Amino acid sequence: DAGVTQSPTHLIKTRGQQVTLRCSPKSGHDTVSWYQQALGQGPQFIFQYYEEEERQRGNFPDRFSGHQFPNYSSELNVNALLLGDSALYLCASSSGSNTEAFFGQGTRLTVV
Amino acid sequence: LAKTTQPISMDSYEGQEVNITCSHNNIATNDYITWYQQFPSQGPRFIIQGYKTKVTNEVASLFIPADRKSSTLSLPRVSLSDTAVYYCLVGDYRNNAGNMLTFGGGTRLMVKP
Repeated sequence: DAGVTQSPTHLIKTRGQQVTLRCSPKSGHDTVSWYQQALGQGPQFIFQYYEEEERQRGNFPDRFSGHQFPNYSSELNVNALLLGDSALYLCASSSGSNTEAFFGQGTRLTVV
Repeated sequence: LAKTTQPISMDSYEGQEVNITCSHNNIATNDYITWYQQFPSQGPRFIIQGYKTKVTNEVASLFIPADRKSSTLSLPRVSLSDTAVYYCLVGDYRNNAGNMLTFGGGTRLMVKP
């Protein structure tokens, strides 16, 4: 079992650009959540996808959007990047029958 | 969701037992208490979850008093590899698996030789 996999591991983008991050959930999981973790802080919930729809959303602007595919994998898109978007982006997967969320290793995004 | 308060950092030595206490005065009836561990440049990892009294697994124990306004994560005989950030979370996660986890600042545990 590969667990939750995220790609790429590291990324450098310029202000104003757009970025797409990818996540494959743990086998058997149908729910994917995305988190942003700034340096020295705890992860902050961005949104959650279930059955290809956004089910819950945290306090993030519309520049942050996502998608879930029929195979349960997911993408996080961020438009018009700001310097403040530099962070570790974490994907977590879970299933309705499990109370535990499994996290990937994250994508380190640096905006310059 | 109930807010949690935990120490910013703690130091310990190898072989000692470490207890990290979390305060959650506004915990609701349906809320569970969950602890996650995070190593640098990795995602958080589930350690333990409980509702009341004591829960124990192969990694840690979780002690929850009757009023549930606090909880203590106990790590027996820590090693250098237990150096990490430990997060205490409170919420109705049991009915919404993986649902909108709310992380605070966590406790940075440093285990020294």
